[in-house]
Amino acid sequence: DAKTTQPNSMESNEEEPVHLPCNHSTISGTDYIHWYRQLPSQGPEYVIHGLTSNVNNRMASLAIAEDRKSSTLILHRATLRDAAVYYCILRVRNQGAQKLVFGQGTRLTINP
Amino acid sequence: DGGITQSPKYLFRKEGQNVTLSCEQNLNHDAMYWYRQDPGQGLRLIYYSQIVNDFQKGDIAEGYSVSREKKESFPLTVTSAQKNPTAFYLCASSTSWGRAGQPQHFGDGTRLSIL
Repeated sequence: DAKTTQPNSMESNEEEPVHLPCNHSTISGTDYIHWYRQLPSQGPEYVIHGLTSNVNNRMASLAIAEDRKSSTLILHRATLRDAAVYYCILRVRNQGAQKLVFGQGTRLTINP
Repeated sequence: DGGITQSPKYLFRKEGQNVTLSCEQNLNHDAMYWYRQDPGQGLRLIYYSQIVNDFQKGDIAEGYSVSREKKESFPLTVTSAQKNPTAFYLCASSTSWGRAGQPQHFGDGTRLSIL
């Protein structure tokens, strides 16, 4: 399985931008890059995904390196509600299955 | 509102007992999944189902069983063969198993503990 590498934790201040990095050097050409986040005692929540081009939605932006070996999730203006564990995940195909491979993610702390 | 409902939120099991965790979705999704999460860890796939009456083992299927008799429902049974069942169990669904670009939608989980 293609794997991702993220920092264990990051800290930022409220109302400031946050850049969450992810390395995925073994990504294959058909792998999508997905980001989910998980608040304590809740299920993961989908944030954003992309293949090659940068993507924007109401929650965040995703910047994908030209060689696709890394990506960055950008929260433009962090709030306290953005404090969560953020997972960078490659959507791999294994025997026809659509599988999410979760690492340990990045625990984001937002200071008031 | 559409979504995924997992019940119960907390579940306790005695040694040697089988327990069944419920997962229901009203999103009209074809694919459903069960994941296990241990403290401080990411999620690991237990079983998944691409369509009614079909399911496949994930990475850690030993000690678990599932059924998919209806599109909306994908119950997970934790059997007595699962030696370390204490964990947070998450159910998810998605529109089409073959489309890697589609996100998975998760329930709020069931926390299982051994008495």
